[in-house]
Amino acid sequence: EADIYQTPRYLVIGTGKKITLECSQTMGHDKMYWYQQDPGMELHLIHYSYGVNSTEKGDLSSESTVSRIRTEHFPLTLESARPSHTSQYLCASSEYTDRGNEKLFFGSGTQLSVL
Amino acid sequence: GDSVTQMEGPVTLSEEAFLTINCTYTATGYPSLFWYVQYPGEGLQLLLKATKADDKGSNKGFEATYRKETTSFHLEKGSVQVSDSAVYFCALSASYNNNDMRFGAGTRLTVKP
Repeated sequence: EADIYQTPRYLVIGTGKKITLECSQTMGHDKMYWYQQDPGMELHLIHYSYGVNSTEKGDLSSESTVSRIRTEHFPLTLESARPSHTSQYLCASSEYTDRGNEKLFFGSGTQLSVL
Repeated sequence: GDSVTQMEGPVTLSEEAFLTINCTYTATGYPSLFWYVQYPGEGLQLLLKATKADDKGSNKGFEATYRKETTSFHLEKGSVQVSDSAVYFCALSASYNNNDMRFGAGTRLTVKP
């Protein structure tokens, strides 16, 4: 199906560590997103990007950073992880259908646990 | 697997018209259901949600009722405004499915003055 990949799939780390969650897509999509999702709950937008060298803040952006040096790569970095960061992190990219709708493609997610 | 099907659009309405965007789902259990909205140039935002059958989610004049008997979660608003122009996504999430969020394809709404 969708060619968007996230690594690692699961990560357990200690408080205070710096971590980078990787996201890559091979579809040539310009627009990419990072979302945070607690179990059974809604997505919260963390960051998004319109293309290379574009990064925008979402609702929960204050404790993380992103970069977009290449179209296919959109990594998310937490400078100092805390237990409150324990969650699932979803990366997505999008394209427009021929009917003008934006179609989202999600990666399989990274489940982060901070001890 | 679980999936969501929504009216594809685009939908064009005049201001103050009644809006319905259809959404039906297929699920092996009892998922939570969501409507997300994406305004031009922005990311997705949660519009409303319902976590069990017969729940009604509502926000900003929009409503949707979780109907188990028809496996539907149609979005409605009695009187749309130009500022409602956006893309609307129906979605589901279920704990039995690793909480993977499944989105519909999105429906673009344009409201003309």
